[in-house]
Amino acid sequence: AQSVTQLGSHVSVSEGALVLLRCNYSSSVPPYLFWYVQYPNQGLQLLLKYTTGATLVKGINGFEAEFKKSETSFHLTKPSAHMSDAAEYFCAVTGGGADGLTFGKGTHLIIQP
Amino acid sequence: DAMVIQNPRYQVTQFGKPVTLSCSQTLNHNVMYWYQQKSSQAPKLLFHYYDKDFNNEADTPDNFQSRRPNTSFCFLDIRSPGLGDAAMYLCATSRDRTGTNSPLHFGNGTRLTVT
Repeated sequence: AQSVTQLGSHVSVSEGALVLLRCNYSSSVPPYLFWYVQYPNQGLQLLLKYTTGATLVKGINGFEAEFKKSETSFHLTKPSAHMSDAAEYFCAVTGGGADGLTFGKGTHLIIQP
Repeated sequence: DAMVIQNPRYQVTQFGKPVTLSCSQTLNHNVMYWYQQKSSQAPKLLFHYYDKDFNNEADTPDNFQSRRPNTSFCFLDIRSPGLGDAAMYLCATSRDRTGTNSPLHFGNGTRLTVT
């Protein structure tokens, strides 16, 4: 079984500041990890994913995440926040087979002008 | 553009009155999923189809059913909606099961209101 913990239901940063959204996972098998973004009244859009290989993964809109097995973490970062980044962000994990994705509870990112 | 389309975007139904939500995809993906997302919560998987093979999550209420008449379409039927079923319902597809690192493609969701 897998689980995901996202620290901080709300994160507020100033425009131009570093964005850091935290995600820790639990998995009994090597995980596949994902970050999704959800804008109001829309579905989820894939930002990036880690499967195997390079642990630093680059995604869309300038986001990246680093898989750290020793810390069971997959934190999402962006060097400089933009107003358009304001949204809900979900970390998700799957361990293989037909068990689908397990999502974290989400982090609402607020960008202050 | 290939995509996942959900209709309608907003659905209002009465307590106990059956309702059907629809999802179509032009991606020709094998797997289709239905998620329930309540306000400020994570999406919760209700069930999924791998081709014609139906897979129900253990804690999905019997009140929720699904049909997949062909590759492109999948329906969510709520037989007797209760107030607690008010939520956003998200349809998603993937080329293969997520265990093979096939990412999900989501529709924009249907927001269900129960009066």
